[in-house]
Amino acid sequence: EPEVTQTPSHQVTQMGQEVILRCVPISNHLYFYWYRQILGQKVEFLVSFYNNEISEKSEIFDDQFSVERPDGSNFTLKIRSTKLEDSAMYFCASNLLNGDEQFFGPGTRLTVL
Amino acid sequence: KNEVEQSPQNLTAQEGEFITINCSYSVGISALHWLQQHPGGGIVSLFMLSSGKKKHGRLIATINIQEKHSSLHITASHPRDSAVYICAVSRGAQKLVFGQGTRLTINP
Repeated sequence: EPEVTQTPSHQVTQMGQEVILRCVPISNHLYFYWYRQILGQKVEFLVSFYNNEISEKSEIFDDQFSVERPDGSNFTLKIRSTKLEDSAMYFCASNLLNGDEQFFGPGTRLTVL
Repeated sequence: KNEVEQSPQNLTAQEGEFITINCSYSVGISALHWLQQHPGGGIVSLFMLSSGKKKHGRLIATINIQEKHSSLHITASHPRDSAVYICAVSRGAQKLVFGQGTRLTINP
């Protein structure tokens, strides 16, 4: 069964460093998302992406964040200069049609020291 | 006030019990989603519904659009059902807005 994959599963970085979180959505899906979950809190929307551009972003998704689909398979989230408060689980998701069920990846746990 | 409220926050039950988790939302939606989050963190979609009722195995989800309320039921609960159950809504736009989750523990 097709699935969304994410790498790495766990990333530890120093404050101020850049990180790139990688996702491979399901191959025929057209809509892509990043969500994050700070430990003990609810899942929050970061950004949605369609047709090679951002379709919606949250207040959290400031200039430190960027997303890219560099080729036909990968979808990346870059945090330019990490802060302690960026420590969270980051989930990638995708779906085929707008408003359809979303399929989630297993998440990347980011720890900023 | 949160757009999506779940109750209870924590629920502990004995194996075999009938489980109900509730979700209320404050604005009009296009669909409501029930998701399961395992102890390792992974999220799995259980149901997406915009009206009525859906059933999958021992899980049943219902929604009342007029009352802005949905319930997730688990029949004949089992320890492997132990997880966090999350309600989320979508409103035409693609993003999901999540509730805080209900931590379910089923004891043998």
